[in-house]
Amino acid sequence: GNSVTQMEGPVTLSEEAFLTINCTYTATGYPSLFWYVQYPGEGLQLLLKATKADDKGSNKGFEATYRKETTSFHLEKGSVQVSDSAVYFCALSSSRGGSFGTGTRLQVFP
Amino acid sequence: SAVISQKPSRDICQRGTSLTIQCQVDSQVTMMFWYRQQPGQSLTLIATANQGSEATYESGFVIDKFPISRPNLTFSTLTVSNMSPEDSSIYLCSAAGGRNEKLFFGSGTQLSVL
Repeated sequence: GNSVTQMEGPVTLSEEAFLTINCTYTATGYPSLFWYVQYPGEGLQLLLKATKADDKGSNKGFEATYRKETTSFHLEKGSVQVSDSAVYFCALSSSRGGSFGTGTRLQVFP
Repeated sequence: SAVISQKPSRDICQRGTSLTIQCQVDSQVTMMFWYRQQPGQSLTLIATANQGSEATYESGFVIDKFPISRPNLTFSTLTVSNMSPEDSSIYLCSAAGGRNEKLFFGSGTQLSVL
């Protein structure tokens, strides 16, 4: 079946530090991959997505590349800001269903 | 952490009928949400279920089609009314709770409309 594994949090960084949140997946077929963000007190928002191998999704300075050979979709940002503090969820979706990771809390301090 | 029980896990329904999906959380939560995920697509927020008042619907979703109830802080239902094949999708309940208001997910309801 489909499943997503992402790194445990919390991730604590200083402002302007480099961010990586690891995500790997197991799926049959060719899923689409997503990163969602949940800011405090709000619902999920789509951050970025990639629909096929080697695609790179990007938004708000965040990037993730769909790596079929390593079944990974790691989230990266070169310079985080305090406003990036949130919970980040990796997810996949295919014609056979979807799966979410458990979420990684990011805390950025000035 | 919160545990969310969502049922049914899947159903096959006839066009024109309605299905009610239930979402039960094992602890009181402040916010509950209903999402739809069509095959290969990202999640789309349908509405925020408000305790004791009408749900807040996102653009493109209306109460007549997706009536939502939330009678207390641990339970909510979503009804998909007058179904058509275009409503075939996964419907997902989620809840935000705990000290950090982390989001938790139900296991989803896979709906097929014939």
